[in-house]
Amino acid sequence: AQTVTQSQPEMSVQEAETVTLSCTYDTSESDYYLFWYKQPPSRQMILVIRQEAYKQQNATENRFSVNFQKAAKSFSLKISDSQLGDAAMYFCAYRSASKDMRFGAGTRLTVKP
Amino acid sequence: NAGVTQTPKFQVLKTGQSMTLQCAQDMNHNSMYWYRQDPGMGLRLIYYSASEGTTDKGEVPNGYNVSRLNKREFSLRLESAAPSQTSVYFCASSPLGSSSDTQYFGPGTRLTVL
Repeated sequence: AQTVTQSQPEMSVQEAETVTLSCTYDTSESDYYLFWYKQPPSRQMILVIRQEAYKQQNATENRFSVNFQKAAKSFSLKISDSQLGDAAMYFCAYRSASKDMRFGAGTRLTVKP
Repeated sequence: NAGVTQTPKFQVLKTGQSMTLQCAQDMNHNSMYWYRQDPGMGLRLIYYSASEGTTDKGEVPNGYNVSRLNKREFSLRLESAAPSQTSVYFCASSPLGSSSDTQYFGPGTRLTVL
């Protein structure tokens, strides 16, 4: 069974600093997709970034980037120049052709001014 | 363009009552999903509809039924609510339903069953 593990229930970062959120997953498949979603207090789930497993290059979206280590089954999210608006729950998610989207338990990120 | 909308935003039920959660999307997406979110856990898939006219069970379907009314609308029904169904429910849609698709989420419905 595919499982997604986020080992950090809570993280905090100083405004303008960099923080990395961890995610590992378990799969026997070779073709799959990984996602990071942000859930602010409004509860709206917002896609932050996605990564195709067949691509070696790490995805980047402005201040957000990932470190994708396929062999280690690791998919961490780096937020650079953290802003107050980045405070939210962050969920890592996995999906393959044969399986539904599976989410981790989430990491609550606090940004300190 | 409203994206994915859900009604109601909040609901309180008594054990044994029934209700239907409504979801609609205006992005002409083929696939729609219902998830539940419980404290300390990620979202878990209840049911999904890959395309109009089809529905399939997800990870936690027991106690729920769904209807894909048309391409835009996908409803979730609780026939006899139980306290274990207290949760936040999210509807989502995606263009094709493939594993590469981005899913777009509604704002959620907070349901409490007493």
